[in-house]
Amino acid sequence: EIVLTQSPGTLSLSPGERATLSCRASQTVNVNYFAWYQQRPGQAPRLLIYGASFRATGVPGRFSGSGSGTDFTLTISRLEPEDFAVYYCQQYDSSPPSTFGQGTRLEIK
Amino acid sequence: EVRLVQSGAEMKKPGESLKISCKASGYSFNNYWVGWVRQMPGRGPEWMGIVHPDGSDTRYSPSFQGHVTISVDKSTRTAYLQWTSLKASDTALYYCARPKWGPDDAFDAWGQGTMVTVSS
Repeated sequence: EIVLTQSPGTLSLSPGERATLSCRASQTVNVNYFAWYQQRPGQAPRLLIYGASFRATGVPGRFSGSGSGTDFTLTISRLEPEDFAVYYCQQYDSSPPSTFGQGTRLEIK
Repeated sequence: EVRLVQSGAEMKKPGESLKISCKASGYSFNNYWVGWVRQMPGRGPEWMGIVHPDGSDTRYSPSFQGHVTISVDKSTRTAYLQWTSLKASDTALYYCARPKWGPDDAFDAWGQGTMVTVSS
């Protein structure tokens, strides 16, 4: 089973700043099988990025994904108030089972 | 509009059985698998398993194999997650979700979640 480790655990930033979230896999993941999700309190996760770098339908352009191999990054170029939430990475290359990271909490500084 | 509507919150005792549901609408049900994801309080999601829309194929995470059963009723466009003997450690929020395409894909539609509480 591929283990995904996200860093940092909590990221404190202000609106307008740039956010960089990391996810490291315990073994190589095919870029076509990597995703990022956003989860706001009391809501289900929402798909942001699939295939490591493709934005899902309706996702604003300030969200971008990159990476390959074992290291992947989600970047939010200029934070909006609604972006403060928990973010999860997921690999679906080695499935079953697909696995998720433990999350990065993005909080307002 | 794609919608996955889950059954309501449940409170059960250890050893009891339970079946929760997920009704799909707004898309061609026959073309998409349906998965289940567990989320324990304060933790990341966990992929439990996934079922073909006609029930012909079901895949489980080794962590959940043998403890839950995933099924589907194509005629009612409903997927199910069931336990025969609940444990306190099954207390969690359970989501159904639809992958973008095949069984090995990101989930682009999610139900609202069903909270299951198991306590004596």
